[in-house]
Amino acid sequence: QITLKESGPTLVKPTQTLTLTCTFSGFSFSTSEVGVGWIRQPPGKALEWLALIFWDGEKRYSPSLKSRLTISKDTFKNVVVLTVTNMDPVDTGTYYCAHRRGGGSDFDYWGQGILVTVSS
Amino acid sequence: EIVLTQSPATLSLSPGEGATLSCRASQSVRHYLAWYQQKPGQAPRLLIYDSSKRATGIPARFSGSGSGTDFTLTISSLEPEDFALYYCQQRTSYPLTFGQGTRLEIK
Repeated sequence: QITLKESGPTLVKPTQTLTLTCTFSGFSFSTSEVGVGWIRQPPGKALEWLALIFWDGEKRYSPSLKSRLTISKDTFKNVVVLTVTNMDPVDTGTYYCAHRRGGGSDFDYWGQGILVTVSS
Repeated sequence: EIVLTQSPATLSLSPGEGATLSCRASQSVRHYLAWYQQKPGQAPRLLIYDSSKRATGIPARFSGSGSGTDFTLTISSLEPEDFALYYCQQRTSYPLTFGQGTRLEIK
């Protein structure tokens, strides 16, 4: 059974760095084709893909946010971490981590999401 | 970046009716298109991948079709639990992109 859960601060100040952790079970980065992505959703708005990390360490980022994003993994701890620098109120939203479906970069298992508010 | 445009923005139907949701891509995504359902306060759920393949546990009333730039999600007979937001997503090229969503509401 695959599960994912996001954790981190729910309130950050403008210009601060956000660090989110995705802790998962039921799969492993030791297996080829495995990937974990981050997707966010501002309140009342559409989904926006942010980043994806693969079992072999390859990383992909949204071009519009690439300069502010870093994704990393710890294979032994079953954790994926996303950092977003220079947070702004427009970055407010629910951040999801999700399991990449084997064979394609869509997402078949999602965490519950964490609502992050950027406010002074 | 591939832009996905979903239509209509809102669809008002009654339980038992059939629903047709559309997703158009700004350039060909071949058949690499997925559909998700999202209910208030919940994470998205994968319904369809690769245009027409149902994800695990998805009822047969959900079907997908299309290739290239035009795709359709069809719900054959709406159940009360089907009224939700629906998003399409392409995986042909990075960045991965989502449509802006179609809200399926009870008439």
